[in-house]
Amino acid sequence: EAQVTQNPRYLITVTGKKLTVTCSQNMNHEYMSWYRQDPGLGLRQIYYSMNVEVTDKGDVPEGYKVSRKEKRNFPLILESPSPNQTSLYFCASSSPTIDRGRLHEQYFGPGTRLTVT
Amino acid sequence: KQEVTQIPAALSVPEGENLVLNCSFTDSAIYNLQWFRQDPGKGLTSLLLIQSSQREQTSGRLNASLDKSSGRSTLYIAASQPGDSATYLCAVLSGGYQKVTFGTGTKLQVIP
Repeated sequence: EAQVTQNPRYLITVTGKKLTVTCSQNMNHEYMSWYRQDPGLGLRQIYYSMNVEVTDKGDVPEGYKVSRKEKRNFPLILESPSPNQTSLYFCASSSPTIDRGRLHEQYFGPGTRLTVT
Repeated sequence: KQEVTQIPAALSVPEGENLVLNCSFTDSAIYNLQWFRQDPGKGLTSLLLIQSSQREQTSGRLNASLDKSSGRSTLYIAASQPGDSATYLCAVLSGGYQKVTFGTGTKLQVIP
């Protein structure tokens, strides 16, 4: 089954304790992205990656790091989490090389609910 | 900078009504537009994808149209059901295939 998986699904942590949220896709997609969703602000792009070792900032990259060492994985790293990073996080993937009708269709993971106290 | 607006922010209708959700975007240089539904606290379910060269897409009771030149898309839901209650999001892909901009959604309630 084609899917994007995220782990953990729920996480409660304390300020300053480094954490990593993993994202993996099994569709051989080149593009991957991270989003956060906050009430009243909608979904905002944090980082994106166009392929292995190619990443760039989205709209709200401050406080986050990413890496893309393998095509299927795109972890999100919070080196020193703060309470304002409490949010619902989504990973997504897409491809420019699949059949024309589905070019860059975004596939989303189930979400990770992060609480930083 | 691309901006995406969805109107109305909330909508309550009786079961069986046909309804239209609106999505507008400021930069018409888009690659595609995708409609999603999201149930409370849950993930995003893709409903329809319209490529920039297309005018509409249909899936069951759903029909989405795209007018790039006017920066608008509409999602038409026929014969609404209580199970359609959710938040509907539109997302626009632009800026070199990696920039996805979401609207803030329309929260739909279908009353039995």
